[in-house]
Amino acid sequence: GAVVSQHPSRVICKSGTSVKIECRSLDFQATTMFWYRQFPKQSLMLMATSNEGSKATYEQGVEKDKFLINHASLTLSTLTVTSAHPEDSSFYICSARANSRNEQFFGPGTRLTVL
Amino acid sequence: LAKTTQPVSMDSYEGQEVNITCSHNNIATNDYITWYQQFPSQGPRFIIQGYKTKVTNEVASLFIPADRKSSTLSLPRVSLSDTAVYYCLVGDNQAGTALIFGKGTTLSVSS
Repeated sequence: GAVVSQHPSRVICKSGTSVKIECRSLDFQATTMFWYRQFPKQSLMLMATSNEGSKATYEQGVEKDKFLINHASLTLSTLTVTSAHPEDSSFYICSARANSRNEQFFGPGTRLTVL
Repeated sequence: LAKTTQPVSMDSYEGQEVNITCSHNNIATNDYITWYQQFPSQGPRFIIQGYKTKVTNEVASLFIPADRKSSTLSLPRVSLSDTAVYYCLVGDNQAGTALIFGKGTTLSVSS
């Protein structure tokens, strides 16, 4: 089946630094990818929709200047958390849907811890 | 997007059948019903999807009544490894449409 990968799987950084998370669709092309955030014991919250070749669409309350999204190709989207703070510590998950399939495939997630 | 309502939690024992019901009263004509499973610190995994009546695959069945305002995920003979959070989602299948997650149902299976 279709596979979505994320890198890194976990990252620990100091407050004030920036962290980049990669999301790749391994065996299909995805014009659109999605980024979610999940805090402990909570559900997934959609952050933004990443569109290949154009600007991302952010959900209400998500700072676009803090969470930079780049969809450089049909198989790669990146999320950069700029000037990370402890409250940004969370589980970040990306997803994509192959045009020929109905289900949406999710990556394994990236655990971000900001000290 | 249609909002969904599920029980917060359910408990079961190994070998039992588990049925998780989801309400989606304002489901739209183009919407499909999809269920995902999530283990701690992992991304959600697709279980099953349906539009109406009944759908069955190797891991579950999905029952959808004629009015489509609810659906029931049926897990036959659960095992300890089925302990997870189960999400019911409703939306169309357009590639550019994000799935919006509700709170999900935490299923705990005991021996």
